[in-house]
Amino acid sequence: AQSVTQLGSHVSVSEGALVLLRCNYSSSVPPYLFWYVQYPNQGLQLLLKYTTGATLVKGINGFEAEFKKSETSFHLTKPSAHMSDAAEYFCAVSDREGGSYIPTFGRGTSLIVHP
Amino acid sequence: DADVTQTPRNRITKTGKRIMLECSQTKGHDRMYWYRQDPGLGLRLIYYSFDVKDINKGEISDGYSVSRQAQAKFSLSLESAIPNQTALYFCATSDLVGSYNEQFFGPGTRLTVL
Repeated sequence: AQSVTQLGSHVSVSEGALVLLRCNYSSSVPPYLFWYVQYPNQGLQLLLKYTTGATLVKGINGFEAEFKKSETSFHLTKPSAHMSDAAEYFCAVSDREGGSYIPTFGRGTSLIVHP
Repeated sequence: DADVTQTPRNRITKTGKRIMLECSQTKGHDRMYWYRQDPGLGLRLIYYSFDVKDINKGEISDGYSVSRQAQAKFSLSLESAIPNQTALYFCATSDLVGSYNEQFFGPGTRLTVL
């Protein structure tokens, strides 16, 4: 079964600093890859996704992620953190094979942004 | 108006009570899901439905049941609630065609079982 590892349950950065949230997956066949964000007291919403093509994917609010097949990774970055980026971030993967495309979610990383 | 709505948004109940959480969507999606979120555990899939006549168990279905009343409605029931079912519950929808099964989430229901 597919598994997703998000390194670090909490990441703390200063406003204006680089944001790096890590995600690794387990399958030998590259899956579809997603990052979702959950703001306080809200449901999850899609930040960005990788399905095929260019491995650097740009999302909303200045976030981007790069798919690296050799490292089985899909890390999320933002050059300069803003206070409004404080939220919970989830990496998710869906197998390309099998037909159901049911996603598996990581455990989440809480991003804390200090003034 | 929200595309995926959940009722109630908050619920406190007692051990042994039957509880129903409801989800409605106006996105026209065929696929609907129920997830549970616990701190440090991420989202875990309880049940999912690919159309009105299709119901499937997810990773943690024990103690839960579902009903797909219509394309737009998917309800989750706890027949006899227990304290370890205290969690945040999310309904989600998806449309496989063109979106690679991207999930669209409701705002969540916070359930507390005393």
